[in-house]
Amino acid sequence: SQQGEEDPQALSIQEGENATMNCSYKTSINNLQWYRQNSGRGLVHLILIRSNEREKHSGRLRVTLDTSKKSSSLLITASRAADTASYFCARGDTGRRALTFGSGTRLQVQP
Amino acid sequence: NAGVTQTPKFQVLKTGQSMTLQCAQDMNHEYMSWYRQDPGMGLRLIHYSVGAGITDQGEVPNGYNVSRSTTEDFPLRLLSAAPSQTSVYFCATGGLGTGELFFGEGSRLTVL
Repeated sequence: SQQGEEDPQALSIQEGENATMNCSYKTSINNLQWYRQNSGRGLVHLILIRSNEREKHSGRLRVTLDTSKKSSSLLITASRAADTASYFCARGDTGRRALTFGSGTRLQVQP
Repeated sequence: NAGVTQTPKFQVLKTGQSMTLQCAQDMNHEYMSWYRQDPGMGLRLIHYSVGAGITDQGEVPNGYNVSRSTTEDFPLRLLSAAPSQTSVYFCATGGLGTGELFFGEGSRLTVL
């Protein structure tokens, strides 16, 4: 499989703490995206970082990309119970429109 | 705007039966795709289309057919269902540039 690896597979934290999820990949990418999936729902796009960017912010989200290490991280600051969901990284490979998804991180934020 | 609409939301089939999962979008996106989601395996691409009349295979195309006769619709057909096709199926659309995808709410299929 060409899917990336995400870790941890599951993460449980208290409200107010920060949550960090990591994603590694093996191919050359055009961009790296992060999606959120609430239980029983479709995926929702959170943030996209291009291969020539190193860091991107959106509200409480911070994404970093290290193309030399072929890895990305998603940081959610000051987490809330409503952040409880599964988070997936997806890479946009060079020359290919389709996205390849990782296996996801299940985040549980305890109130 | 409805976005991406998938029907049915739930379906139970017997082995060997056929059915079609429907996907319709009203965002005028050229790109449409089908993924399946299985526990612990993330999403895997089945088929995709970059425009009307154009389709191509993804990572796990066997057992599935698609067609794209209009920009709005991209049905996924199971010709002879097998228990291994028990999964949650997602349709996702987007513009042709390598940007974000917009997902439907999913179709949960059980094959007995």
